[in-house]
Amino acid sequence: QVQLVESGGGLVKPGGSLRLSCAASGFTFNDYYMSWIRQAPGKGLDWISDISSGGTTKNYIDSVKGRFTISRDNAKKSLYLQMNSLRAEDTAVYYCARDRRDWNSMDVWGQGTTVTVSS
Amino acid sequence: DIQMTQSPSSLSASVGDRVTITCRASQSISRSLNWYQQKPGKAPILLIYAASSLRSGVPSRFSGSGSGTDFTLTISSLQPEDFATYYCQQSYSTPRTFGQGTKLEIK
Repeated sequence: QVQLVESGGGLVKPGGSLRLSCAASGFTFNDYYMSWIRQAPGKGLDWISDISSGGTTKNYIDSVKGRFTISRDNAKKSLYLQMNSLRAEDTAVYYCARDRRDWNSMDVWGQGTTVTVSS
Repeated sequence: DIQMTQSPSSLSASVGDRVTITCRASQSISRSLNWYQQKPGKAPILLIYAASSLRSGVPSRFSGSGSGTDFTLTISSLQPEDFATYYCQQSYSTPRTFGQGTKLEIK
């Protein structure tokens, strides 16, 4: 079945780095844009980045520009988020999601991986 | 950035009630509006896309309407499994911003 599985979350000190992964299965990964969305504890959803199907076009929310890098490996059916210079406010559950461009919405989500930035 | 404002932020209702949640955009977004449902500890689920298109498999008691800046999500007859938090999201421009959420609780 169509599935996304995130991994790579954990506890990291302020200023540290972490790389999240999202493994896709059950669909033709390289046909789809992909997004990362995060949710701080007890808060709402924040879209943070997306990447085109071929990996050439990338967008970011201002608060992560220059610190986070989205990438993908279509051969491995995987999406990544490299997070550098982490701050306490980056603490959140991070979700990857499949973008349906024809619907202009995110129709499949992973279960999320938790990132905690704390000293 | 386009700001999305939902109202109310929370809502108490009973099984069988008709419920409406409103979402307002800070500028016109045409019909580029999606609705998601999220239950505690779970990932969001897409319910409605393009303001009023019901995703396959979503019960027909859910409906969406609106265009421009004002949108609504209506649940015609609440079921126990509908108690959750609902988010609108605009897909008109990047960043694709979400509303703050509406928590639907059992009365």
